[in-house]
Amino acid sequence: AQSVTQLGSHVSVSEGALVLLRCNYSSSVPPYLFWYVQYPNQGLQLLLKYTTGATLVKGINGFEAEFKKSETSFHLTKPSAHMSDAAEYFCAVSESGIPTFGRGTSLIVHP
Amino acid sequence: GAGVSQSPSNKVTEKGKDVELRCDPISGHTALYWYRQSLGQGLEFLIYFQGNSAPDKSGLPSDRFSAERTGGSVSTLTIQRTQQEDSAVYLCASSLDVHRGTRTDTQYFGPGTRLTVL
Repeated sequence: AQSVTQLGSHVSVSEGALVLLRCNYSSSVPPYLFWYVQYPNQGLQLLLKYTTGATLVKGINGFEAEFKKSETSFHLTKPSAHMSDAAEYFCAVSESGIPTFGRGTSLIVHP
Repeated sequence: GAGVSQSPSNKVTEKGKDVELRCDPISGHTALYWYRQSLGQGLEFLIYFQGNSAPDKSGLPSDRFSAERTGGSVSTLTIQRTQQEDSAVYLCASSLDVHRGTRTDTQYFGPGTRLTVL
């Protein structure tokens, strides 16, 4: 069975600081992994996804994530936070085509 | 091009009443998903439609919940005899599903319907 754990319901950073949002997964087959972002009063939007191949995946808005099989992790990073990055971020894993989402991490960016 | 649209954006109803939530997927997308997003609970899968295949209803929480997809396009999620615990944001997503079986399709989400049951 697939599952996702996002560590920290809230992460607070200063503008310009490194962003690190943690995601650990469990999957009985090689996983496909996703990060989605949700801005207030909007639906989710895909940031990036890992399918096969290169384990470092680059997405939109300067975000990237690295698939680490040995650690069963898929943490999301961005070198320098912008105020516009404030949003809810969801990690998801897919085995059968219907993804399982984590509970989300709210990113707060301070000026 | 238009994205996934949902209506209404907000719905307030009284306990025991029935509600219908509508989703218009992106044209040409064969797969359609419904999720429920409760505060602090992430996204809970409800139901999945793929083309003309029988829907995957494994996520529906009770027999008060049902969904239809007419003509392979518009979908309606119906909740009968609403309860206060049904209050949540209901999200719809669609995908091309061209990679069916390989699990790589990107889902495109609508803005959701916020349901409040008094």
